Amino acid sequence: GAGVSQSPSNKVTEKGKDVELRCDPISGHTALYWYRQSLGQGLEFLIYFQGNSAPDKSGLPSDRFSAERTGGSVSTLTIQRTQQEDSAVYLCASSPALGSGNTIYFGEGSWLTVV
Amino acid sequence: RKEVEQDPGPFNVPEGATVAFNCTYSNSASQSFFWYRQDCRKEPKLLMSVYSSGNEDGRFTAQLNRASQYISLLIRDSKLSDSATYLCVVFFNTGGFKTIFGAGTRLFVKA
Repeated sequence: GAGVSQSPSNKVTEKGKDVELRCDPISGHTALYWYRQSLGQGLEFLIYFQGNSAPDKSGLPSDRFSAERTGGSVSTLTIQRTQQEDSAVYLCASSPALGSGNTIYFGEGSWLTVV
Repeated sequence: RKEVEQDPGPFNVPEGATVAFNCTYSNSASQSFFWYRQDCRKEPKLLMSVYSSGNEDGRFTAQLNRASQYISLLIRDSKLSDSATYLCVVFFNTGGFKTIFGAGTRLFVKA
């Protein structure tokens, strides 16, 4: 597709279960970002990937969160043993490169509800 | 102090009004600046980049003041459709790249 694609668009899970969120960036974009946004709040940076470099994981809130990017394209964000405070929309974004002036394009998000 | 700070608002203005938002940033090494718009329950989308010389796109004008470390967004002749949250975005490189989003300023334009 032409834009950043995320799946699932909505996920309801029980507390304690693991979830995987998928992001398919815009073709050719080397930089990929994950953000989290709780209702009515700002964007919280989680992690970014740039090409084959080691990812910047400094925003991950706990060791229950991890992310991979395979083949420099698709990324998966995994949340283990979900808690209610994990409920949020998880936004993936990509840009042509990680550098000054590059526009970041967002997907529509994966809305996670932990019950 | 947050790296990027915005007045959360909300700003409630009538149609046709002019409204301005400011955003301050703390890192003097900041290199690029943007305004994004986010509609309710939607993803953020680029509204405009902010250049040192200032730039204008129709009813929207963005300005950068490096000395005081703030950027601004001016909306003239507000439309109902301008109602949204406006996010200030700052990019900087201090040994590692970072793109920081402000928490956003909410704007409501009423008839």
